[in-house]
Amino acid sequence: GAGVSQSPSNKVTEKGKDVELRCDPISGHTALYWYRQSLGQGLEFLIYFQGNSAPDKSGLPSDRFSAERTGGSVSTLTIQRTQQEDSAVYLCASSSRDRGESPLHFGNGTRLTVT
Amino acid sequence: EDQVTQSPEALRLQEGESSSLNCSYTVSGLRGLFWYRQDPGKGPEFLFTLYSAGEEKEKERLKATLTKKESFLHITAPKPEDSATYLCAVFEYGNEKLTFGTGTRLTIIP
Repeated sequence: GAGVSQSPSNKVTEKGKDVELRCDPISGHTALYWYRQSLGQGLEFLIYFQGNSAPDKSGLPSDRFSAERTGGSVSTLTIQRTQQEDSAVYLCASSSRDRGESPLHFGNGTRLTVT
Repeated sequence: EDQVTQSPEALRLQEGESSSLNCSYTVSGLRGLFWYRQDPGKGPEFLFTLYSAGEEKEKERLKATLTKKESFLHITAPKPEDSATYLCAVFEYGNEKLTFGTGTRLTIIP
């Protein structure tokens, strides 16, 4: 079946502009995660959605970052007033259960470059 | 304080030369330890989940083991196509996020 789909695959934007990154999870997966991967760094947790529960936003680095998940499926990560330090690969993952023991399945990410 | 530490950062092996990658973790209660493989330009690909000390999982040339403080990914007679970055991650009780190490970049030379 189809895996996690992210778009766009690459995004170049000017400093100060807003960007939206999209994630289509695996159908039926109730949990959705956003991570950020910078060059030479590990994956950094950003936000977690589970069903209709309030999202865990504890990893968002600043109030310029926000995310929503519509209809329990598609998610959008928005970065306002982008800065050069926001340049990274943004990865989305979904999981079939609401418990941590289930593996996360990742998309191929959106590579964001802020010039 | 790092919860997940992987070593070495990079490893170069000749084809057929077996070795092991290490993942050390410090969490209060482990729910699961995960191994992923990541190829350049791709997202991490799930390999194994280990839940308790003493558990082992195998897949082709890879074997993952778990103790109370660390996990090893053993690679037996590797081939060039095993070249990738291998990531370790942990879920702990009371925390819904998967915490990743920085990975081991493995290169297998033909």
